Amino acid sequence: GENVEQHPSTLSVQEGDSAVIKCTYSDSASNYFPWYKQELGKRPQLIIDIRSNVGEKKDQRIAVTLNKTAKHFSLHITETQPEDSAVYFCAARVMEETSGSRLTFGEGTQLTVNP
Amino acid sequence: DTGVSQDPRHKITKRGQNVTFRCDPISEHNRLYWYRQTLGQGPEFLTYFQNEAQLEKSRLLSDRFSAERPKGSFSTLEIQRTEQGDSAMYLCASSLTSSYNEQFFGPGTRLTVL
Repeated sequence: GENVEQHPSTLSVQEGDSAVIKCTYSDSASNYFPWYKQELGKRPQLIIDIRSNVGEKKDQRIAVTLNKTAKHFSLHITETQPEDSAVYFCAARVMEETSGSRLTFGEGTQLTVNP
Repeated sequence: DTGVSQDPRHKITKRGQNVTFRCDPISEHNRLYWYRQTLGQGPEFLTYFQNEAQLEKSRLLSDRFSAERPKGSFSTLEIQRTEQGDSAMYLCASSLTSSYNEQFFGPGTRLTVL
């Protein structure tokens, strides 16, 4: 089955700096890679996702890159703000037209943005 | 609130007791997922329904665990003869059928087995 590894487990940056979180996956059939943000005591919420036919996707201060050959993808947050502090999870999934399938999550990165 | 809801939000039980959790998905979503999350870890997949059919189960779902979605709307997850290792946050998520659909998560049920 799919295995997703995520690094680093903790990341501390100064407000305004950039943050980068990296993930690798094992199943070459995976074709959908979402990123979730989970604040303390709250539910995971999707912040950005990328499909395997795209190499990069950007949404304001957040971007995700995907390298299918190397089987890794990364989350980039620019101009970080204290409200970006949370746990971030990457995930991988094999998407099929006629059936859903599980999300396999990484272990999470605790991001702390210091004012 | 039109999001995914779960009940109860917290459950404390003694080892050996049975517990049941409920998940109400977003109304038009026909896919429903259960995940388990322990402290400091990402959610782990347990099982998945499309309408009332349970289509996939993880090996994590031992025979003490059973999930149902009888009318293709809400779902229940039952754990029989609870063990301390069952203590975790149980998350439910739902999605539409179409490809690349986002899974929307509920707030979770935190289970503590004493």
